[in-house]
Amino acid sequence: DIVMTQSPDSLAVSLGERATINCKSSQSIFYSSNNKNYLAWYQQKPGQPPKLLIDWASTRKSGVPDRFSGSGSGTDFTLTISSLQAEDVAFYYCQQYYNTPITFGQGTRLDIK
Amino acid sequence: QVQLMESGGGVVQPGGSLRLSCTASGFTFSNYGMEWVRQARGKGLEWVAFIRYDGSNKYYTDSVKGRFTISRDNSKNTLYLQMDSLRTEDTAVYYCVKTIRGVNDALDMWGQGTMVTVSS
Repeated sequence: DIVMTQSPDSLAVSLGERATINCKSSQSIFYSSNNKNYLAWYQQKPGQPPKLLIDWASTRKSGVPDRFSGSGSGTDFTLTISSLQAEDVAFYYCQQYYNTPITFGQGTRLDIK
Repeated sequence: QVQLMESGGGVVQPGGSLRLSCTASGFTFSNYGMEWVRQARGKGLEWVAFIRYDGSNKYYTDSVKGRFTISRDNSKNTLYLQMDSLRTEDTAVYYCVKTIRGVNDALDMWGQGTMVTVSS
């Protein structure tokens, strides 16, 4: 199984400041034949289901604010929120869909400092 | 609008059975792979099972193999999860989730979830 490890487990950032969440996979999730990383990021607010923010490691989904960006390749990935807003308080999860079993990171709790 | 509505959750004793249903609307259900993902209270997300758009391929996480069965009825726009031999560790909110296309795609639509509690 591919193990996804996020860091940190939690962080607090001031409004308007940058937030960075890391995700590391136990093996490469890059598929050379199509040049894609099989990595997604989700946001989950209290009492709500997760929401897809980014897939293919860096493709922001329609309607997601452009302050959210994803980067990385192979085994190391990053979700960056360029200027934290109050509504960004949530848990964030990375997920690999390279192979089954599909696996998620343990989650990162993001709060306002 | 695109919607997934789960039902069938509840309280069941260890060793018991439960069948979850998920009714889809707002998209062509028969074109997409579907999954079940669960989340224990205060915990992270755990993938449970996947079924191909036409039901021909199914995949499960190891902990539920032989106990859970994913299925679908495309004529009724409905996804199912038959859960047998339930264990206390199966207690969680179960989400019905639509894939963008198949098992090697991200999950772009989630239901609100249905709670399953396994307790004596």
